[in-house]
Amino acid sequence: GAVVSQHPSWVICKSGTSVKIECRSLDFQATTMFWYRQFPKQSLMLMATSNEGSKATYEQGVEKDKFLINHASLTLSTLTVTSAHPEDSSFYICSARVPAGNTGELFFGEGSRLTVL
Amino acid sequence: RKEVEQDPGPFNVPEGATVAFNCTYSNSASQSFFWYRQDCRKEPKLLMSVYSSGNEDGRFTAQLNRASQYISLLIRDSKLSDSATYLCVVNRDDKIIFGKGTRLHILP
Repeated sequence: GAVVSQHPSWVICKSGTSVKIECRSLDFQATTMFWYRQFPKQSLMLMATSNEGSKATYEQGVEKDKFLINHASLTLSTLTVTSAHPEDSSFYICSARVPAGNTGELFFGEGSRLTVL
Repeated sequence: RKEVEQDPGPFNVPEGATVAFNCTYSNSASQSFFWYRQDCRKEPKLLMSVYSSGNEDGRFTAQLNRASQYISLLIRDSKLSDSATYLCVVNRDDKIIFGKGTRLHILP
C-alpha cells in the first residue's frame, strides 16, 4: 500500500523555539496532505489541509501564523510549530490521500510526538 | 451536534465474544465511510471501507445505513489483539471527518 513517512518521530524542545515536522509520500504524489493533532486520550483533530503549490486551509481555531505549513512539492509537506509552548505538546500526524478519485482512503505518517519543556 | 458521533466506551469484552459499534453522521451529503483502528500512541490504520451493501473481512463486518445515517462495525470471535480504539471516518466533499473513537478492551 501507499506509504507516508513522517519525521521526526520524537522531538523535545525548549519553550520559545520552533520545530519543523516533515511529511513525505514515498511512492505516490500527494496534491493534498492533512495535518492532525491528537492530545492524550482525545480524538484526532484536523488542523489544516495542505495543498501543493498554494496556501494551506486552516480549521477554525488553528492559528496559521503559529502553525506554518509548506507544501512545496508533490511529495513533501512540512508543519512548523513556531515559538512552541508547553501547551503545544501533542502528537502531530500527517496523512495523504492517494489520488485515485475521491475515495477518502487516507494513509498516515507514523506521527511526531512533540514535548515542549 | 457533532458531525460524526461515536460512543467513546470503553467496551470491555471477554475474548471470543462478539462486539458491535455504531457511528452516526449528521450530514446526508456524506459520500464515503471507513473504519480505522488506532493503537495507543500510534497512527490510525485503515481497517475497512464501508459500503451500502455491507462488507465482510474475516471476523469484521461493516454496514452502512444511509436512511438512518449510521454505520456499524461487528467483530466476531474477538481476540486480545483487537484491543484498540476504532475510529469512524466520514468523507464529505473534500473533508475527512473523524469520530472521537470507541475504545475496545478485550479481556483474557
